[in-house]
Amino acid sequence: QVQLVESGGGLVKPGGSLRLSCAASGFTFSDYYMSWIRQAPGKGLEWVSYISRSGFTIYYADSVKGRFTISRDNAKNSLYLQMNSLRAEDTAVYYCAEAAAEWGQGTLVTVSS
Amino acid sequence: AIQMTQSPSSLSASVGDRVTITCRASQGIRNDLDWYQQKPGKAPKLLIYAASSLQSGVPSRFSGSESGTDFTLTISSLQPEDFATYYCLQNYNWPWTFGQGTKVEIK
Repeated sequence: QVQLVESGGGLVKPGGSLRLSCAASGFTFSDYYMSWIRQAPGKGLEWVSYISRSGFTIYYADSVKGRFTISRDNAKNSLYLQMNSLRAEDTAVYYCAEAAAEWGQGTLVTVSS
Repeated sequence: AIQMTQSPSSLSASVGDRVTITCRASQGIRNDLDWYQQKPGKAPKLLIYAASSLQSGVPSRFSGSESGTDFTLTISSLQPEDFATYYCLQNYNWPWTFGQGTKVEIK
């Protein structure tokens, strides 16, 4: 069965950086587009970034453009999100998702001094 | 960006009730609309894709429909495990956008 396991979350100071990872298994990773979606505490969902199967097509939400970088390694069945210049408003649970259908359990990112 | 206006924001219902949740898109999105269910502390679960197609393994009491830019999620007979928050998502064009969510609570 499809399994997506996020890691790399934690507490970081404003202006700091984090790299999230998502390890995928149970499906042919290279056949699917992947995404990162986040949810601030007690709030709704926000689609953060999208990457195509090959990695050639990438989109970002305006709120993270220029600060976040999505990437994937099809050989390692892994998805990444490099987050720089973090702000308090980036505090959220970050989910990786396979083709919008299957989601991981999420990893919490807290940006606070 | 396409705005998705979801209503109501919350509702109270009893087991066995028919429940309807609506999302209105700010422009045409064809049928590029999904519905998700989220329970506290859990990741969202895909229920309906392409406006009316039932995701594998999802009970048939869930259904989706569309009329122009209005999309509806219907639960035909609410079950105890259906008390959750529901979100619509347009994936017609980037940035993909969610509705604000509908919390379904026990009456």
